[in-house]
Amino acid sequence: EPEVTQTPSHQVTQMGQEVILRCVPISNHLYFYWYRQILGQKVEFLVSFYNNEISEKSEIFDDQFSVERPDGSNFTLKIRSTKLEDSAMYFCASNAQGGSNQPQHFGDGTRLSIL
Amino acid sequence: GDSVTQMEGPVTLSEEAFLTINCTYTATGYPSLFWYVQYPGEGLQLLLKATKADDKGSNKGFEATYRKETTSFHLEKGSVQVSDSAVYFCALSGYGQNFVFGPGTRLSVLP
Repeated sequence: EPEVTQTPSHQVTQMGQEVILRCVPISNHLYFYWYRQILGQKVEFLVSFYNNEISEKSEIFDDQFSVERPDGSNFTLKIRSTKLEDSAMYFCASNAQGGSNQPQHFGDGTRLSIL
Repeated sequence: GDSVTQMEGPVTLSEEAFLTINCTYTATGYPSLFWYVQYPGEGLQLLLKATKADDKGSNKGFEATYRKETTSFHLEKGSVQVSDSAVYFCALSGYGQNFVFGPGTRLSVLP
C-alpha cells in the first residue's frame, strides 16, 4: 500500500538555525498538509497546500514557517530560525481529494529537537 | 472554533475486555468524524470514519457511530488484544481541509 514517507526520522538542531523537514506524499495525491505534536499534547494543524499554494494555515504557522513543493514528489516544511518551543513531532499528510469527508494519510513523522 | 474532547487516559484493560473511548465534538455544520491510531514509534493510521449522522464506521473489530444528537463518536471494541495497545485519536474535518484532533487516549492491554 502506498505510504507517505518523511525524512529524517529525527533531526537535532541548534536554536536559531534553519531546518527543512522533507515529505514524499503518495504519488497521485494533490492535497498536502503539515501537523505538529508537541510531546504529550494534541496533534495541531499547521498548513494545507494545494495547486502550489497554501490553502489554509493556522496561527502557529507564522513568518518563520514556509512550505514548498520543489519538484513533483517532495513537499517540504522550512523553519527559518528555530526556537526551543519548535521541538515537536512533525507529521506530513496527503489525500487525493480535498473535502471534509476524505481521510488524510499520515507519514511516520520527524522528531525535531531544538537545543 | 471546532474542537474535539476525548476521555483522559491512560486506559488499562485486560485482554478480551470491552473497550469504550469517549469522544465528543463541537463543530459548525456537519463535520466528518475519524478515529486514528498511533502505535509506538509510528505515524497516525486511519482506523475508521463516518461522514454523516447515524453512519457507523468499523474496522478490525472497532466500531464508532456518528451521533449528531449527542455530538459524539465513541470508539468501541468488544474484545481487546495486547496488539491494540496504542494511542487513539478522535478527529473531525469540517468546512476547512484541516483536521482537528482530540488529545489522544493511550490504551494499554495486559495479557
